[in-house]
Amino acid sequence: GQNIDQPTEMTATEGAIVQINCTYQTSGFNGLFWYQQHAGEAPTFLSYNVLDGLEEKGRFSSFLSRSKGYSYLLLKELQMKDSASYLCAVMDSNYQLIWGAGTKLIIKP
Amino acid sequence: GAVVSQHPSWVICKSGTSVKIECRSLDFQATTMFWYRQFPKQSLMLMATSNEGSKATYEQGVEKDKFLINHASLTLSTLTVTSAHPEDSSFYICSARDSSLDTGELFFGEGSRLTVL
Repeated sequence: GQNIDQPTEMTATEGAIVQINCTYQTSGFNGLFWYQQHAGEAPTFLSYNVLDGLEEKGRFSSFLSRSKGYSYLLLKELQMKDSASYLCAVMDSNYQLIWGAGTKLIIKP
Repeated sequence: GAVVSQHPSWVICKSGTSVKIECRSLDFQATTMFWYRQFPKQSLMLMATSNEGSKATYEQGVEKDKFLINHASLTLSTLTVTSAHPEDSSFYICSARDSSLDTGELFFGEGSRLTVL
């Protein structure tokens, strides 16, 4: 079966760095997405990785290792507004998005 | 970036009535749109894939006669929840893929929160 695993909840301090991991097992691979979702709102796109390596976008970076079925989202200089759920999703060989359950990130002052 | 507009954002209806939710791609053409449902504290669940000019493809367990999807143009897909019941109360979200891009990136609507009394 297809499976996406990510931690349920993480806590970090304002100004610090946090890494949210995602491991996946899917039938085929056409890219991995990270989305941010604030409570009651639709997800917003953060990053897309289809090749191995690190993609940096401001305070957010995303890493992919296809051979290990592993990705992480790195958030630097955390701000209170970064408190949200972070969703990892993989596009399989049929271009269907397989979603993880999301990681709730709590930022403390 | 590309914008997807979803309407209405909030809707409250009586049990047994039908509700239509619209999903529009404002500045790009989308041959494929996706409809998701999210129950509280759960992840997004794909309901169906909407293809312009053809029938939607429904995920297992989603009743196609209850959730009617119409993708009549390259910029508009509609989801109609027919004979809604309280258990249909949920957050419904659409997304669209820009046909001109090959990144596979999806653009999401703002979501529609349906409450069935």
